[in-house]
Formats: sequence, C-alpha cells, structure tokens
Amino acid sequence: DVVMTQTPVSLSVSLGGQVSISCRSSQSLVHNNGNTYLSWYLQKPGQSPQLLIYKVSNRFSGISDRFSGSGSGTDFTLKISRVEPDDLGVYYCGQGTQYPYTFGAGTKLELK
Amino acid sequence: QVQLQQSGAELVKPGSSVKISCKASGYTFTSYDMHWIKQQPGNGLEWIGWIYPGNGNTKYNQKFNGKATLTADKSSSTAYMQLSSLTSEDSAVYFCAKGYYFDYWGQGVMVTVSS
Repeated sequence: DVVMTQTPVSLSVSLGGQVSISCRSSQSLVHNNGNTYLSWYLQKPGQSPQLLIYKVSNRFSGISDRFSGSGSGTDFTLKISRVEPDDLGVYYCGQGTQYPYTFGAGTKLELK
Repeated sequence: QVQLQQSGAELVKPGSSVKISCKASGYTFTSYDMHWIKQQPGNGLEWIGWIYPGNGNTKYNQKFNGKATLTADKSSSTAYMQLSSLTSEDSAVYFCAKGYYFDYWGQGVMVTVSS
C-alpha cells in the first residue's frame, strides 16, 4: 500500500497567518494516464471531511483561493494564507492513484 | 444541491451483521462511483471500496474483502454497505463519499459493536 506521511502532526497559527502542510507518499503518485491523483480534505470538528483540492492543485468548487496545492511525484504541499477561524480542523491528504486508496494521518490546525 | 443522507447510528452485537445506507440526491446517481470510508475514534481515514451504481461494479480494499459488501439500488438512488462478522475493531464511523475525488460526503454512521 502507498503510505502517506503528513507533517507536522499539529500546527498552531495566528488568525491572518500562513501555514504549509507537507504530504509525502511512499511511491510516485503519477498514474499511468499521466495524472497525479493527490487530494486534500479538511475535517472540521464534528463534521465530515470536505474536499478542498484535487489532482494536486485544483481547487474544488467554492473553495477559497487562500488554499493552494502544489507538488509532484511523491512530495506535496498545501498552503493556507490569511487563516480564518473557519479553517481550523484536521487536514488530510489522500491518494487515488493506486489501490487501495490511502490517506495521511492528518494535521491538526489550531489557533495560537 | 448534492446531498448524501446516511442512515442512523447502530449498536450491534459481536458476530452479527449490519447494513447501512446512503441516499443520494442532486445528481445522477448512476454516473458516479460511491466510495465508503472508515474512521475509528481519534484515527484517520481508511478507504473500504467503491461501487459504480450504473452497472454494479465494485472494487474493494483487500483488507475489507469478506467484511464489507457494497450494493446499490438505482430505483431509490441509495447505496448500501453491509458489514459482517462484526468485532470491536469494526466500531467506527462509516462515511459514503461521491465520485473519484470524494467531492461530497455523507454525515457518517456510527457503528458500535458491543455485547
């Protein structure tokens, strides 16, 4: 199975600040078709996860441009700028390139 | 708007089975995979498998072969997951999620296995 390693495990940020979350995969996430199926999700307290970013850098419908995804191969980053209270929760990366699909263990974003 | 409405919480006995549902609305049910994901308390996310309601095709995480069975009813736009031979390790919240990117999620079903 592809192991997804997220760092850091937790992150403290001031409102209005910027943070980056790293996600590394144990194997390349480039699919045979040339696409890279790396997504980012946010799970707010008491809620279901929600899709933020798909295929590395594509924002899902309605997602603020304060969220940006980048990376390639095995190394990926989610950046959140001008952090707002509604951004707090646990962020997960996930891969859909290889079966079984797998997720990182999560990064908890908290207020400083 | 897309909605995935899951069935209510379940308290079940070890060794039994449970079937949970996910009713879809706001999109063409038969045109998108429906995925199922497990989340144990305090733990991350684990992909169980998908079903394509259009033709009933399924794909499972090998870890859940024999544990989970995915089905879908096109007439009611509802996906189902049956979990069998339940143990305490199956106590978790189970989510359904639409499409290849998991772009919409159900609210989750908490399954508690206890005697």
